[in-house]
Amino acid sequence: QVQLQESGPGLVKPSETLSLTCTVSGGSISTYYWSWIRQPPGKGLEWVGYIFYTGNTNYNPSLKSRVTISVDTSEKQFSLKLSSVTAADTAVYYCARHSSHSSSFDNWGQGILVTVSS
Amino acid sequence: DIQMTQSPSTLSPSVGDRVTFTCRASQNIGTWLAWYQQRPGTAPKLLIYDASSLQSGVPSRFSGSGSGTEFTLTISSLQPDDFATYYCQHYDSSPYAFGQGTKLEIK
Repeated sequence: QVQLQESGPGLVKPSETLSLTCTVSGGSISTYYWSWIRQPPGKGLEWVGYIFYTGNTNYNPSLKSRVTISVDTSEKQFSLKLSSVTAADTAVYYCARHSSHSSSFDNWGQGILVTVSS
Repeated sequence: DIQMTQSPSTLSPSVGDRVTFTCRASQNIGTWLAWYQQRPGTAPKLLIYDASSLQSGVPSRFSGSGSGTEFTLTISSLQPDDFATYYCQHYDSSPYAFGQGTKLEIK
């Protein structure tokens, strides 16, 4: 059973760059799409963007100017960078795997709370 | 962008009740729709994909239906473990989007 684990700082200062990594274990990173999804405290879910194992990406236009997602297949990791953060970027950030037959998300990490505050 | 609207925002059914959630898309998404269950403090769990396909390991009391712009998730007989928030998500085109969620509260 594939497992995903987010890691990174839980506190980021305003205007700085949020950096998170998702490590995939128990399965292959190849042939799948991988996404980042976030959830502000007490609110709903927002898709941030995805990456294919080849490096192809697709970002939510609402964040596109600030988002970069990259992949390291040798380490079985993919990463999120979100620049120029504000308090509105405070959220639980999840990494997730796209299902093999659709773009539903069939495996999720446990999530990591990132707070933007000085 | 395609917007997803769920109704109602909260429900207070009793154990054993049949419960139905509604999700509407702002434009035709075919059957490119998923449903998730999220318990407090945990990640969402995939229940239904392609509008009506049951994800492996999900109890058969969960079912999904619909196509185009109107979709429903039904729990045939509510169990105590089902009190959670339920989200729909479209994957017709980028950007993917979720509904705002329907919360099941214990009556």
